[in-house]
Amino acid sequence: QQQVKQSPQSLIVQKGGISIINCAYENTAFDYFPWYQQFPGKGPALLIAIRPDVSEKKEGRFTISFNKSAKQFSLHIMDSQPGDSATYFCAASISWDYKLSFGAGTTVTVRA
Amino acid sequence: SQTIHQWPATLVQPVGSPLSLECTVEGTSNPNLYWYRQAAGRGLQLLFYSVGIGQISSEVPQNLSASRPQDRQFILSSKKLLLSDSGFYLCAWSLTPSTGQFFGPGTRLTVL
Repeated sequence: QQQVKQSPQSLIVQKGGISIINCAYENTAFDYFPWYQQFPGKGPALLIAIRPDVSEKKEGRFTISFNKSAKQFSLHIMDSQPGDSATYFCAASISWDYKLSFGAGTTVTVRA
Repeated sequence: SQTIHQWPATLVQPVGSPLSLECTVEGTSNPNLYWYRQAAGRGLQLLFYSVGIGQISSEVPQNLSASRPQDRQFILSSKKLLLSDSGFYLCAWSLTPSTGQFFGPGTRLTVL
């Protein structure tokens, strides 16, 4: 039973374009939503995270948008660069639970 | 700053052989520690987590086991490897349940 559903499975974007990855969850107890970036052969790296008391968080070219009523959150990569080509995972957790629920991942390819 | 190490980086083992993967964390005390497995092109599967020395929680029943002999050391073991044990094994740490998990570089295991 996947608690966090992620889409699309893969996407291709031109250099300079916007990449958008969406995630949806069911458990309203989730209160921490991180995004991870993984390059081939490497471990995932924490990219950016948000809590449900804010609707948007921006770090450089990466922005998380959060819609609590719709139980959805998304990652926007602005001005996408070839170096952004990687697999991105969304995740969710409850503050008292040690486990993260991961989405299935989205492979982003940025064409030069 | 905190650093997480995993070794070996790659491993090729025959079916039925034993396994020992090691993970150590530097620069922090009493971390929560996690073992994940990632099949090729797939998402992250939580195998074990530990909130303290000698405390292991198992998420997936299988022929793998984990141990935490020291505060910042986490070991993944098997007595007899199966073909299905092949994958990318990732160790991660966190300080609290409500903050992000930080992953190591991973171990690529191939069982032949």
